[in-house]
Amino acid sequence: DAGVTQSPTHLIKTRGQHVTLRCSPISGHKSVSWYQQVLGQGPQFIFQYYEKEERGRGNFPDRFSARQFPNYSSELNVNALLLGDSALYLCASSLGQGRGDGELFFGEGSRLTVL
Amino acid sequence: GENVEQHPSTLSVQEGDSAVIKCTYSDSASNYFPWYKQELGKRPQLIIDIRSNVGEKKDQRIAVTLNKTAKHFSLHITETQPEDSAVYFCAALRDYKLSFGAGTTVTVRA
Repeated sequence: DAGVTQSPTHLIKTRGQHVTLRCSPISGHKSVSWYQQVLGQGPQFIFQYYEKEERGRGNFPDRFSARQFPNYSSELNVNALLLGDSALYLCASSLGQGRGDGELFFGEGSRLTVL
Repeated sequence: GENVEQHPSTLSVQEGDSAVIKCTYSDSASNYFPWYKQELGKRPQLIIDIRSNVGEKKDQRIAVTLNKTAKHFSLHITETQPEDSAVYFCAALRDYKLSFGAGTTVTVRA
């Protein structure tokens, strides 16, 4: 079975642009979370979705938005990119609702560079 | 919100020795505490986890302890091997949000 897949793996944008990152969870997983990992730091929670509903939101500005589709895949959108948005964006899925009721599996991430 | 502190930030051990990483958390409602290993350029991978109703858990050379009263938990790696070299993150879960520590870079010297 395929793991969590993310696309694109690498991308370069300029300040002010917007970006869409995509994630496909492991088959059967209904919970998807997004994390931002700046170089040298631990991942920071952005969003969590379960059954297409937003269940949690981290301390990120409104420029960050996400959604989950009927097939449980997810998109993370970031508008008006800033240099500080440069990071590895990780998607994770779990079998449970994401409340510690199932292991969290991470994708390889999308590395975003903002110039 | 939850604040997870992790120490030390770097750890160098001789092959065969033990490595210990300690974390503290602030939110007593956190109920799940996973540990992740992340190699350079790779995804974080779960190596062990513990729930709030358990005090200790062991899996071969890796063990985790949890002290709910003191709000701290620790990772113990025994008989370290060169392939244990990586960045290790502790985390604490409350509701749907997983809060990570800043990471510990472990180097195992051959």
